[in-house]
Amino acid sequence: NAGVTQTPKFQVLKTGQSMTLQCAQDMNHEYMSWYRQDPGMGLRLIHYSVGAGITDQGEVPNGYNVSRSTTEDFPLRLLSAAPSQTSVYFCASSRTGYNSPLHFGNGTRLTVT
Amino acid sequence: DQQVKQNSPSLSVQEGRISILNCDYTNSMFDYFLWYKKYPAEGPTFLISISSIKDKNEDGRFTVFLNKSAKHLSLHIVPSQPGDSAVYFCAATGGSNYKLTFGKGTLLTVNP
Repeated sequence: NAGVTQTPKFQVLKTGQSMTLQCAQDMNHEYMSWYRQDPGMGLRLIHYSVGAGITDQGEVPNGYNVSRSTTEDFPLRLLSAAPSQTSVYFCASSRTGYNSPLHFGNGTRLTVT
Repeated sequence: DQQVKQNSPSLSVQEGRISILNCDYTNSMFDYFLWYKKYPAEGPTFLISISSIKDKNEDGRFTVFLNKSAKHLSLHIVPSQPGDSAVYFCAATGGSNYKLTFGKGTLLTVNP
């Protein structure tokens, strides 16, 4: 049972480049979300989805797009990378999203130069 | 405005003693609280949770206490072990809200 799988593990981008962070879960969870972790800031919610075809914004959504075409996948797109997006990104899923613990992937460390 | 606060960035305890990690919240709509543990280069892992209808929940060496009137919760680890050394995040949600709000974390170091 792989759980939540994130790819790539590391990525370096130049300012203005775009890329997609991949996230897949094999637990048939309805709820998926993206967080970023920055030093001294804890984990902040970027976007989340309560099911296929449904997405919503979290606390820090600017500069990111998401889509949820299947239950399993929830990619995060950076439209035009900026140095402020240098961070560690975590994807997480849970059975229902509400009162249901999140299962996290191991993260993608992104550096934007 | 930080709705979930972990005011101690770090805590150091001796092996075998009790570790107490604290968390305060400001949003009175929060009704479900969780603790996560995170090792370096890994994602956070769920540790224990508590609903607002309870004031205590235990799971082995881990106990979470909730004081709703003070908007305060704490995680007790007894006895502490070196493998418990990690960053601990407090998180909260509520009001049928799908957004989980995290504190900034506390680095626990358990010394042998």
